[in-house]
Amino acid sequence: GQQVMQIPQYQHVQEGEDFTTYCNSSTTLSNIQWYKQRPGGHPVFLIQLVKSGEVKKQKRLTFQFGEAKKNSSLHITATQTTDVGTYFCAGISGTASKLTFGTGTRLQVTL
Amino acid sequence: SAVISQKPSRDICQRGTSLTIQCQVDSQVTMMFWYRQQPGQSLTLIATANQGSEATYESGFVIDKFPISRPNLTFSTLTVSNMSPEDSSIYLCSAILEGVLFFGSGTQLSVL
Repeated sequence: GQQVMQIPQYQHVQEGEDFTTYCNSSTTLSNIQWYKQRPGGHPVFLIQLVKSGEVKKQKRLTFQFGEAKKNSSLHITATQTTDVGTYFCAGISGTASKLTFGTGTRLQVTL
Repeated sequence: SAVISQKPSRDICQRGTSLTIQCQVDSQVTMMFWYRQQPGQSLTLIATANQGSEATYESGFVIDKFPISRPNLTFSTLTVSNMSPEDSSIYLCSAILEGVLFFGSGTQLSVL
């Protein structure tokens, strides 16, 4: 079945440093979504990418969908303590109607 | 967007008993999903709750253990049956609206 892996599993940065998480799927994706889960909370939708090579920005967050539509990345510029949480990518493959979540990257930001 | 109310938020249960989790969406949605999330882990899809038909279960999950109801387009329940300590986890309901998943706040289940 489809597998979606994320690296790193965990990253600890100082506030102001940049952060990147990478998402790799075993199959080609029709789209990819990113979710953020704060400690003790539930996942919250951030963005969806559909087109090959697509790049989207949300303030300090930059999302990219790979040319082959099998990988994606999330880059945070100048992290803040409010960025703490686990970031999940989630993809839909083929004609499936369900999202497969990645393994997640937990981000810790300290002052 | 969609607001999803899930209850209970947490429960501590005895081995061998059953717990039913309820999920209410503030708008009509075609598809609802139930996930399980172990601490520090990703989300694992248990089943898709289809209105008007039986739920579709993922590999490793069976209807006898996790019966699901979907009586209308805004409501679903998941029952965790004959619980064992291995069932201790967070259970999340979700609904898809315009291609985006919205989640309930989760049910933290501890089985003693």
